[in-house]
Amino acid sequence: AQSVTQLDSQVPVFEEAPVELRCNYSSSVSVYLFWYVQYPNQGLQLLLKYLSGSTLVKGINGFEAEFNKSQTSFHLRKPSVHISDTAEYFCAVSDRDSSYKLIFGSGTRLLVRP
Amino acid sequence: KAGVTQTPRYLIKTRGQQVTLSCSPISGHRSVSWYQQTPGQGLQFLFEYFSETQRNKGNFPGRFSGRQFSNSRSEMNVSTLELGDSALYLCASSLAVVGGGVDEQFFGPGTRLTVL
Repeated sequence: AQSVTQLDSQVPVFEEAPVELRCNYSSSVSVYLFWYVQYPNQGLQLLLKYLSGSTLVKGINGFEAEFNKSQTSFHLRKPSVHISDTAEYFCAVSDRDSSYKLIFGSGTRLLVRP
Repeated sequence: KAGVTQTPRYLIKTRGQQVTLSCSPISGHRSVSWYQQTPGQGLQFLFEYFSETQRNKGNFPGRFSGRQFSNSRSEMNVSTLELGDSALYLCASSLAVVGGGVDEQFFGPGTRLTVL
């Protein structure tokens, strides 16, 4: 069964600094990878997704992620964060056979300080 | 276009009762998925419906059930509530065009269920 590991439960960072949120998934032949963001008292919003093709994926709000098949990783990056990026970030995976069944990581809380 | 709506937003029940949560997908979306979010277990997939049929199911006991109507609206039901069922229940909808590959799931704000 698929699984997703987000090693960092919380990442504090100063405003305008770069950030990387780590995500590793269990190996599979064909996977789809996603990053979602959740603001307080809200549902999840898709930041970006990797389905196939280029390993560097650009998303909304200046975020990007790189798919690394050999390391089974899909880390999320942003070169300069804002206070408004403070939120919970979830990495998720699904496979080709059940693409609407998302398996989520435990989440990483990004805390941006002024 | 209106987003995914979930009703009610907050609910308080006692152990042993049953509860029904409702989800209205984005207009034109045919797939509806349900997730449970708790501090201990995180986000877990419950089930997914497409054209009134359950296509996928997660590892939850039979007390958790769902259905989808012809207008794609979906309900989930939890019977004989337990304290551990306290959670945020999220619904997500997708276009799910046949042969269209993977498309984005749009999430609603969730229903927060508290079981006392």
